[in-house]
Amino acid sequence: DTEVTQTPKHLVMGMTNKKSLKCEQHMGHRAMYWYKQKAKKPPELMFVYSYEKLSINESVPSRFSPECPNSSLLNLHLHALQPEDSALYLCASSRTGQTGNTIYFGEGSWLTVV
Amino acid sequence: AQTVTQSQPEMSVQEAETVTLSCTYDTSENNYYLFWYKQPPSRQMILVIRQEAYKQQNATENRFSVNFQKAAKSFSLKISDSQLGDTAMYFCAFMKQLGGGSNYKLTFGKGTLLTVNP
Repeated sequence: DTEVTQTPKHLVMGMTNKKSLKCEQHMGHRAMYWYKQKAKKPPELMFVYSYEKLSINESVPSRFSPECPNSSLLNLHLHALQPEDSALYLCASSRTGQTGNTIYFGEGSWLTVV
Repeated sequence: AQTVTQSQPEMSVQEAETVTLSCTYDTSENNYYLFWYKQPPSRQMILVIRQEAYKQQNATENRFSVNFQKAAKSFSLKISDSQLGDTAMYFCAFMKQLGGGSNYKLTFGKGTLLTVNP
């Protein structure tokens, strides 16, 4: 069973809507990630948070706004999306430090923009 | 920049047989990690096996094992006694440490779609 929980599992939103994707982990990991995956493609990194601070933004459009309220939670706020933003959004987490690290993924949130 | 190449877009195998999925990568890093992830139709990304670059011994996890050739930058996955539940997309991934160890970046290959036939 995954220890990274994402909600909702499915989301349909209009181009003028504002919605949020949520991610939670209780493994004590201090690095959290958002990935975007289009059909039949590998996941692409969007954002990385480390110790609740934004560490990496892979030139993601501002209509995607990440937030890390605490060490267990990661949100992705969505506003004025385009149909081409429809994809599977994967949250992930990892320990920090020098050794023994693995990135663990949640089940994903399917987003459809209409 | 790192690149990961999976040269087999699709493969199939009969149940109970053995199959090997290929992966090569390119990097100038000396310390890194390599992974195989499995993504079934449910689309959850599941960790299959992990290899630290500094370890010469090949990783093994039950029916899954790797052949890690660091000099050749090759990292293949062998699945023994294939089961119907192994049907999935398999991604090879390279991970390097960023920010002094505060986080990591995964670079994925394009994936190999494996079908296990009864």
